[in-house]
Amino acid sequence: AQSVTQLGSHVSVSEGALVLLRCNYSSSVPPYLFWYVQYPNQGLQLLLKYTSAATLVKGINGFEAEFKKSETSFHLTKPSAHMSDAAEYFCAVRKFGNEKLTFGTGTRLTIIP
Amino acid sequence: GAGVSQTPSNKVTEKGKYVELRCDPISGHTALYWYRQSLGQGPEFLIYFQGTGAADDSGLPNDRFFAVRPEGSVSTLKIQRTERGDSAVYLCASSLSVGGALNEQFFGPGTRLTVL
Repeated sequence: AQSVTQLGSHVSVSEGALVLLRCNYSSSVPPYLFWYVQYPNQGLQLLLKYTSAATLVKGINGFEAEFKKSETSFHLTKPSAHMSDAAEYFCAVRKFGNEKLTFGTGTRLTIIP
Repeated sequence: GAGVSQTPSNKVTEKGKYVELRCDPISGHTALYWYRQSLGQGPEFLIYFQGTGAADDSGLPNDRFFAVRPEGSVSTLKIQRTERGDSAVYLCASSLSVGGALNEQFFGPGTRLTVL
């Protein structure tokens, strides 16, 4: 079965600092990979997705993620954190030919002024 | 355009009661998904519909849970004989189609179910 591991349930960074949220997947075949953001009392919003077209994926709000097959990782980064980035972030995978998403346990990002 | 909507936004019920949770997908979306998010966890897949039929219900935890989508649009998740462990946020998502890299699931705000 596929699984997703997000290291660090809570991450705090200073405003303007680099954001790095970690995600590792377990799958013999690289799946589709996603990052979602969830603001309080709102639905999940897609930040970006990897679909095998390019290993470096750019998303909304200045976020990007790099797929590294050798490390089975899909870490999310943003060069400079903004106060509005404070939210919960979820990594998810979807297997080829399967429609259901499997989510990690999430990382709550706090931005320190 | 309108996104995925879910009603009610909050539902409080007593143990043993029956509840129904409703999801209105984005107009024209053929696929609809239900997920459950417990406190401190990521969403867990329950069931998905392609049109009116349940294409994959492997995530439903037991036979107390049932979902329908009779006309291929609105869906209702039904929970019988609720238990305290059913307390969670129930998320609905829809997508334009299924299969392939471009299938993006759009999520609603969820229904928070509390079983006392």
